[in-house]
Amino acid sequence: GVTQSPTHLIKTRGQQVTLRCSSQSGHNTVSWYQQALGQGPQFIFQYYREEENGRGNFPPRFSGLQFPNDSSELNVNALELDDSALYLCASSRGGAYNSPLHFGNGTRLTVT
Amino acid sequence: SQQGEEDPQALSIQEGENATMNCSYKTSINNLQWYRQNSGRGLVHLILIRSNEREKHSGRLRVTLDTSKKSSSLLITASRAADTASYFCATDANNAGNMLTFGGGTRLMVKP
Repeated sequence: GVTQSPTHLIKTRGQQVTLRCSSQSGHNTVSWYQQALGQGPQFIFQYYREEENGRGNFPPRFSGLQFPNDSSELNVNALELDDSALYLCASSRGGAYNSPLHFGNGTRLTVT
Repeated sequence: SQQGEEDPQALSIQEGENATMNCSYKTSINNLQWYRQNSGRGLVHLILIRSNEREKHSGRLRVTLDTSKKSSSLLITASRAADTASYFCATDANNAGNMLTFGGGTRLMVKP
């Protein structure tokens, strides 16, 4: 399945954070979502074959990487209090329409 | 921003009863998907219905899609306490490439 690390993280406003994800075997597309408390997930960006191929309404201080082994990272610079959320990674089979997302259990980020 | 709106936001029923959740969306879609989330954990894919389908079944789940009304419903029959979770609809807009837009979710509680 999809694994994410760490499970919980506490950072201070202005700091930088890196979250990690390992995709499900055979999946070459990874997407990241932000889920604020009590709300639905919001799409941050998607990577396919190590290239960003789509981005939601998030500022450039949210960036990502996808590695050849289909692991990926989400980096957030200059953390703000509103960045406190559950960050979810999801993998899927790229290039295949109607391919459901497989989610990890997320990283709970708290910014103080 | 979230395209989908789920109705109701919260639902409490007794075990054995049926639960119906509704979802409305705004743009043309390639497919609509339903996901389940247990208390702050990752989302689990339940069912996907393509834009040219009207109804789909999977076990105790029944999903309908009305593209003329831009709405969908999820019916869980003979509910169990273990069905207690949040349920989200997500749309894959035309040409979005599986970059999903989620609704705000319905929080279902099934009382034993």
